[in-house]
This record gives sequence, structure tokens and C-alpha cells, in this order.
Amino acid sequence: DVKVTQSSRYLVKRTGEKVFLECVQDMDHENMFWYRQDPGLGLRLIYFSYDVKMKEKGDIPEGYSVSREKKERFSLILESASTNQTSMYLCASSVGTTRYTFGSGTRLTVV
Amino acid sequence: EDKVVQSPLSLVVHEGDTVTLNCSYEVTNFRSLLWYKQEKKAPTFLFMLTSSGIEKKSGRLSSILDKKELFSILNITATQTGDSAVYLCAVHIQGAQKLVFGQGTRLTINP
Repeated sequence: DVKVTQSSRYLVKRTGEKVFLECVQDMDHENMFWYRQDPGLGLRLIYFSYDVKMKEKGDIPEGYSVSREKKERFSLILESASTNQTSMYLCASSVGTTRYTFGSGTRLTVV
Repeated sequence: EDKVVQSPLSLVVHEGDTVTLNCSYEVTNFRSLLWYKQEKKAPTFLFMLTSSGIEKKSGRLSSILDKKELFSILNITATQTGDSAVYLCAVHIQGAQKLVFGQGTRLTINP
């Protein structure tokens, strides 16, 4: 089975800190995605990447950046964390255009 | 703007009941609709629907798509406590590398 691994399950960071969320997949998938999940809002796409060093903005990219230096790894960066970025962050990968495989999520709290 | 709306947002039923979850969509160029189940961790894939009127079935779960009326339903019969989860609906847009998600329905099955 494809595995998508997110490095941290829970994180607590201070306002203004630079935060790195890491995601690694082990099945050579071209596409990788970062979503945030908030109650009542569902999953909202932050950024996605369809190849190494390629990235596309999703629906809510403000305050975030991403890095994809290797095919298996897609990092989400919060340049200066703020309390409104407290959320569950989900990484996913796919080959082709559908049927994502999700990671277990990182619950980030910014205090 | 592409939009996916799920209802109800929350549902509490007793074990053994049958439930119907709804997903409606307004998107520019529909390709497929997907259902996921999310317990405490990663969303897991349930169904992908592309053709209208064809029911997909897996055990006690079934789903159908109506492309004319732009909605899908997910049915769960003889519910069990293990069915308690958030159920996510997502639509894949033709030509796009991403899914648009609804808000999710939180289903709670009481013994």
C-alpha cells in the first residue's frame, strides 16, 4: 500500500516562529498536496505540486510556502506562524488525477 | 467558483439505523466525485463515481451520482459504532490536478 508519512502528529509553536511540516510518500507519485482542515470548512487546498521543483497555489496560499526538492518529499512552510494558522494539516499524494492517499495529519497549535 | 456542499454537517443516530448523507456540487467541468471516510487519522477512500445512475456498493455502504441534478448520496445501512466518522465528499474538476472538498458530515452512531 502507498504510504504517506507526516513527520509530526502534534505540534505547538509560538506566534512568529517559522514552522516546517514535512510529508514523505513512498510510491513515486507525481502529485502531492497540502490541505488544512477546519471544523465547518472542510479541506481547503493550500498548495500542490505535480513535479519536483514545481508548485501551484491552491485556494488559501497566503502565509504559506512550499518546497519540493525531491519527488518523495513535499514540505509546507509557515514563514511566521499566526494563531489563525492553528489547524489540522493534511498531506496527500496521487498518481494521475484522483484517488488521493492521505497522511495521518499534523495538528498544529500556534500560541 | 467551484463549490461542494454536504448535508447534514452533523448526524447522530442509533446503531442499526440507516443513514443517507448528501453531497451537492456546482463546478465548472465535472470529472468525478469521490467519497472518503475519516476517523481519527487519514481519510480513506470509499468510492469514485463518474457515471450517473450507477450505484457503487461495498458491504453496507452504497453511493449513487445524479449528474443532471448535480448531487450524490452515500447510504449506510444497519449502522455500527465503527461507522462513526467524518464523511468527506470531493469533486475532481476536468483538467485540474486537484479535488474540491465539501465541509464533511460528522456521523455519530450510538450503541
